[in-house]
Amino acid sequence: DGGITQSPKYLFRKEGQNVTLSCEQNLNHDAMYWYRQDPGQGLRLIYYSQIVNDFQKGDIAEGYSVSREKKESFPLTVTSAQKNPTAFYLCASSPGQLLTEAFFGQGTRLTVV
Amino acid sequence: QKEVEQNSGPLSVPEGAIASLNCTYSDRGSQSFFWYRQYSGKSPELIMSIYSNGDKEDGRFTAQLNKASQYVSLLIRDSQPSDSATYLCAVIGNFGNEKLTFGTGTRLTIIP
Repeated sequence: DGGITQSPKYLFRKEGQNVTLSCEQNLNHDAMYWYRQDPGQGLRLIYYSQIVNDFQKGDIAEGYSVSREKKESFPLTVTSAQKNPTAFYLCASSPGQLLTEAFFGQGTRLTVV
Repeated sequence: QKEVEQNSGPLSVPEGAIASLNCTYSDRGSQSFFWYRQYSGKSPELIMSIYSNGDKEDGRFTAQLNKASQYVSLLIRDSQPSDSATYLCAVIGNFGNEKLTFGTGTRLTIIP
């Protein structure tokens, strides 16, 4: 089946640890995004990538890092520098050069314990 | 000024009535406009996209765009309890600012 797969669905992290969230798509989409959503809030853009080996910071990139070595994969690392990482993380992809609809994975809920 | 603004609600509408959701955006050169529906604890799903001024209809949903007023709206006709969700407006900016930016969402409740 075609789609966007995020894993894991739930993730628990101890303070001071880095953790990597996976996002894979088999839709042959060029653009991929990472958003963060806090309870009762909208989506805030962390990073986005228009093409392989290229990515741009979004509005809240501090404490996060990404890579785009393959078209189908866009992993997000939440580093220990992110002061309040507990949130719902959403990955999305879109077919064209950003000017088309984006579709979302099922999300990863990260909790710092 | 926020890039994309929505009334957070909650908005309560009787079953069978028309629900009207509104969104304004700050980048006058914005290219593309989307409405997403998000159920609690789930990821957003795309319900409408609109790129040019005017109305676009898809079933019970109508998106309206007015670029001069920097305003986009979503009408839901014959509202059903299953329409109860948070509706997110999203905008792609002008060339050079082509990120997909979301509003904070409007929580809609359909009252049976």
